[in-house]
Amino acid sequence: GAVVSQHPSRVICKSGTSVKIECRSLDFQATTMFWYRQFPKQSLMLMATSNEGSKATYEQGVEKDKFLINHASLTLSTLTVTSAHPEDSSFYICARDSPTDTQYFGPGTRLTVL
Amino acid sequence: KQEVTQIPAALSVPEGENLVLNCSFTDSAIYNLQWFRQDPGKGLTSLLLIQSSQREQTSGRLNASLDKSSGRSTLYIAASQPGDSATYLCAVKVGKNSGGSNYKLTFGKGTLLTVNP
Repeated sequence: GAVVSQHPSRVICKSGTSVKIECRSLDFQATTMFWYRQFPKQSLMLMATSNEGSKATYEQGVEKDKFLINHASLTLSTLTVTSAHPEDSSFYICARDSPTDTQYFGPGTRLTVL
Repeated sequence: KQEVTQIPAALSVPEGENLVLNCSFTDSAIYNLQWFRQDPGKGLTSLLLIQSSQREQTSGRLNASLDKSSGRSTLYIAASQPGDSATYLCAVKVGKNSGGSNYKLTFGKGTLLTVNP
C-alpha cells in the first residue's frame, strides 16, 4: 500500500491566490522529506528539502518566499504556493527516504492556475 | 553538474518482447541509482535500487545493471506485458544538494514504454 499520501490530488485556482499541498508519511517518521516539480515531458526537479523542526533548504533558482515549506511534524510536510501564477502550473510530488535508501513518492498534486 | 540522459525517449513493442532501457549519467560519483515507474498523472513507484558498489539487481522480470565507471545503467524487461506500459525514470543519488543538505536525486526525462497486445 501507499506509504506517502498527498492532498489534494488536483487543484485549480485563480491567479494570485495561494494553494497549500499536504504530504504525509503514513508508515514512517520522516525527519526529511523532499518536494519535486515536474513539467510535461520533463524530468522531476528537486525544489527543496523539508526538515522537521528547522528551515527547509531550497535548490538554486527556487524562490523560498514563493514556495513556503513547513515540516511541522515527523509525518507531515506542507508546500504552499503563494500568489500563484499560470507559470506555476505543474505536477508537484513529495517523497521521503527509507532505511533501505529507496525513496518513496506520493501520488502527486496537479496544480492548474488560471 | 550531474546530468542524466535516457534513451530512447519512447519505445513501442509487441507483447512478449524482451527490451532494454538505457540510462547514462555524467558524474560517476554517485551513491546509488534507482529505476522508477510512473503511470500517467501519478506518482513514482520504485522498481529497483542499485548501490554504487553493486553491479546489478533483479526483481521478477526486471533486471537493472550498473556500470559506474562508464556512467551507464540498463533496465532489462523480460517478456513484456501491456501492463508494463508506463514511463520509466532513472535517477542517481549524488552528494550534497545546493542547499547543503545531505544529497539529491537527479532524474532523467524518462522513457515512455508502450507494450501492444
